[in-house]
Amino acid sequence: NAGVTQTPKFQVLKTGQSMTLQCAQDMNHNSMYWYRQDPGMGLRLIYYSASEGTTDKGEVPNGYNVSRLNKREFSLRLESAAPSQTSVYFCASRGTHSNNEQFFGPGTRLTVL
Amino acid sequence: GEDVEQSLFLSVREGDSSVINCTYTDSSSTYLYWYKQEPGAGLQLLTYIFSNMDMKQDQRLTVLLNKKDKHLSLRIADTQTGDSAIYFCAENPYYGQNFVFGPGTRLSVLP
Repeated sequence: NAGVTQTPKFQVLKTGQSMTLQCAQDMNHNSMYWYRQDPGMGLRLIYYSASEGTTDKGEVPNGYNVSRLNKREFSLRLESAAPSQTSVYFCASRGTHSNNEQFFGPGTRLTVL
Repeated sequence: GEDVEQSLFLSVREGDSSVINCTYTDSSSTYLYWYKQEPGAGLQLLTYIFSNMDMKQDQRLTVLLNKKDKHLSLRIADTQTGDSAIYFCAENPYYGQNFVFGPGTRLSVLP
């Protein structure tokens, strides 16, 4: 049981390049989330998916797209990367535990030059 | 709007108690959480409290909730160097999809 996995762990892009961050969970959770973490700002929600086949915008969706490929996988795409997207990206999932907690992946550290 | 506030830094000596404070805005939050992030890692749930509780104790951890003031605190007794990390307070308004996280408090434990 790996929990939430993310690939890649590190990535360096040039401005204007595109890439997809992958996330998968093996806990049979319905809800999945993408956050970005910037110093002093905590975690900000980019997009989330309440169930397979649905996605919704979070607090900071501009410049990103997502795909809920199936129940396990939720990918985040940057179509044209900008330096402002330099950040650490976390994927999380949530099931129906009594305390409603979210489980986090290890993160992807992205640098856009 | 929704906002969770925390102080950004806290330093304590090994063996002392640490108290990390948080204020939140949404009184509808059913659960309030403390997550811990170690260097280079994701967030892990440390503890949580249900909104109808005032206090929860779990070994070295004590969570206090003051709903009237919308104030949450985490006390770590006998703080160890392994407790050095960033601690995030989070709320889950309306028991909905979205969580709101604070900016995190970086706890440094000095020998």
